[in-house]
Amino acid sequence: DTEVTQTPKHLVMGMTNKKSLKCEQHMGHRAMYWYKQKAKKPPELMFVYSYEKLSINESVPSRFSPECPNSSLLNLHLHALQPEDSALYLCASSQVRTSSYNEQFFGPGTRLTVL
Amino acid sequence: AQSVTQLDSHVSVSEGTPVLLRCNYSSSYSPSLFWYVQHPNKGLQLLLKYTSAATLVKGINGFEAEFKKSETSFHLTKPSAHMSDAAEYFCVVSKNNNDMRFGAGTRLTVKP
Repeated sequence: DTEVTQTPKHLVMGMTNKKSLKCEQHMGHRAMYWYKQKAKKPPELMFVYSYEKLSINESVPSRFSPECPNSSLLNLHLHALQPEDSALYLCASSQVRTSSYNEQFFGPGTRLTVL
Repeated sequence: AQSVTQLDSHVSVSEGTPVLLRCNYSSSYSPSLFWYVQHPNKGLQLLLKYTSAATLVKGINGFEAEFKKSETSFHLTKPSAHMSDAAEYFCVVSKNNNDMRFGAGTRLTVKP
């Protein structure tokens, strides 16, 4: 299984709502990532988990809260978002090698609209 | 520091003609380089990657890229464009898993 799955595909939420995005992979990867992608722009890294521990937080506002409950799952909890947070949220996974690199495998994304 | 520059924001070709998408990189060490493709409202799919094993890298769907250290380039080519190749293409330079730098992207349009 070389697939990263994300749910939901689309999400519309108000600024006072609480919602969660989910990501799952069964490739045995121990690094997982959240990216935010605005229209016609490249993905921007938000968070990196390595061995289920948060290793990088790219100064993301606290209204975004990541969680990695196990090696296959990654969640992004959303609360009190702003309309400018509307974007495509991409999850990715990879093997962990600090001395080299590995390609990241991306999910199809969740299209988020904040009203 | 590492960075990548995609020299064209938009490339338009006719179906059946060659494709050239240009990418220059800047890196203080031997980089790892990737090309990803993104179709509308989809995630990113890896086309190919350079790992220093060979300078000419073949990828999926007939794409290939040549690593030229002297020119600090990693241009993506395909001999004959297909309508299904219309998408956004990203060149990426990486030092390690946590340090992937994306280019701004090149939108490829394929005319019938």
